[in-house]
Amino acid sequence: DAKTTQPNSMESNEEEPVHLPCNHSTISGTDYIHWYRQLPSQGPEYVIHGLTSNVNNRMASLAIAEDRKSSTLILHRATLRDAAVYYCILRAVGDYKLSFGAGTTVTVRA
Amino acid sequence: DTAVSQTPKYLVTQMGNDKSIKCEQNLGHDTMYWYKQDSKKFLKIMFSYNNKELIINETVPNRFSPKSPDKAHLNLHINSLELGDSAVYFCASSQEGRPTGELFFGEGSRLTVL
Repeated sequence: DAKTTQPNSMESNEEEPVHLPCNHSTISGTDYIHWYRQLPSQGPEYVIHGLTSNVNNRMASLAIAEDRKSSTLILHRATLRDAAVYYCILRAVGDYKLSFGAGTTVTVRA
Repeated sequence: DTAVSQTPKYLVTQMGNDKSIKCEQNLGHDTMYWYKQDSKKFLKIMFSYNNKELIINETVPNRFSPKSPDKAHLNLHINSLELGDSAVYFCASSQEGRPTGELFFGEGSRLTVL
């Protein structure tokens, strides 16, 4: 499995942006970059994914480096509900396995 | 309507017992999964079924036996429960065949073995 590296934890203030980095220097050409998050006492939920271009959806934005060796998940205005563990995962086309690492624990201060 | 539902949510049992956790998805997906999250919070895939066929079996002890009676259901039966089986078990589903299929997870079933 291609591996990702994320900081263990990050803190943010409510209504401020949060930038969550992810390094994946061994990414292959067929790997998509996925982000999931797990709120306390809940199952993981999909956030966003991308291949090469930056992506936006209602939850977040994903900025992908030109060489694809790193990416950043951007939460534009953090709310208390965004406090969760965020996972950056590489997944190849046709690969049924989604392998979770330790993720980044995001704390949002009111 | 809950997309991926698991029962029971909580299960407390004695060592040596046999127990089952059921999972149902109403999303019309063709692939289902079981994940285990231990006390250190690491999520590990255990099994995956695609169209009722086992496609992933991650060196899980034989005491764990998944069963998929149809595409919408994936149950997990555990024989001779051990203390180390205590964990939260998550079921998930996805629709493969697209460039990449996002997984939808259930709320988890917390198993405590005494």
